[in-house]
Amino acid sequence: QQQVKQSPQSLIVQKGGISIINCAYENTAFDYFPWYQQFPGKGPALLIAIRPDVSEKKEGRFTISFNKSAKQFSLHIMDSQPGDSATYFCAASSTSGTASKLTFGTGTRLQVTL
Amino acid sequence: AAGVIQSPRHLIKEKRETATLKCYPIPRHDTVYWYQQGPGQDPQFLISFYEKMQSDKGSIPDRFSAQQFSDYHSELNMSSLELGDSALYFCASHVFPAGANVLTFGAGSRLTVL
Repeated sequence: QQQVKQSPQSLIVQKGGISIINCAYENTAFDYFPWYQQFPGKGPALLIAIRPDVSEKKEGRFTISFNKSAKQFSLHIMDSQPGDSATYFCAASSTSGTASKLTFGTGTRLQVTL
Repeated sequence: AAGVIQSPRHLIKEKRETATLKCYPIPRHDTVYWYQQGPGQDPQFLISFYEKMQSDKGSIPDRFSAQQFSDYHSELNMSSLELGDSALYFCASHVFPAGANVLTFGAGSRLTVL
């Protein structure tokens, strides 16, 4: 059972457009929601993250919107660039004892065209 | 800046063989996580260690074992390899109690089982 559901599976956006990826979760114990960017053959790299006491966080062209009551969060990439073409994973984490494992969404393959 | 170092980067094994993957966390990071990412899949949490003790366990097969050593590096041992074990294996680290918000992933080890 996928604890973090992510959509769409793939996304094609023109250069300069807005890319939007959505995620939903069930476990209310999650207290940290990061987004990771992964290029082929590379490890996931933290892009931006949010905690549930904040409804929006913006860093440059990347914005996370968080809806705690709906248990949903989304990533918006403004002015999308070809270099943004990668797979994006949302994730959720809760700290239990000394561990803070991440539960990932299924990923969105983003392609930004010229 | 030093990153998480994984070795080997690529490994090819036959079915029923054994394999060992190594992870060297960022200096002073005391918490290590292992993730398995199948082709086109999201990373799945396997196991984590804090201060050389197992801190959490995920979907790690009984054929796999792992440990963290006194210098904080970790090794993932896989025996009786199966075709389905072919995947990218990522190690990630952080310093406790910083948690997932400063989790850094290595570049991964690609295991191919023939």
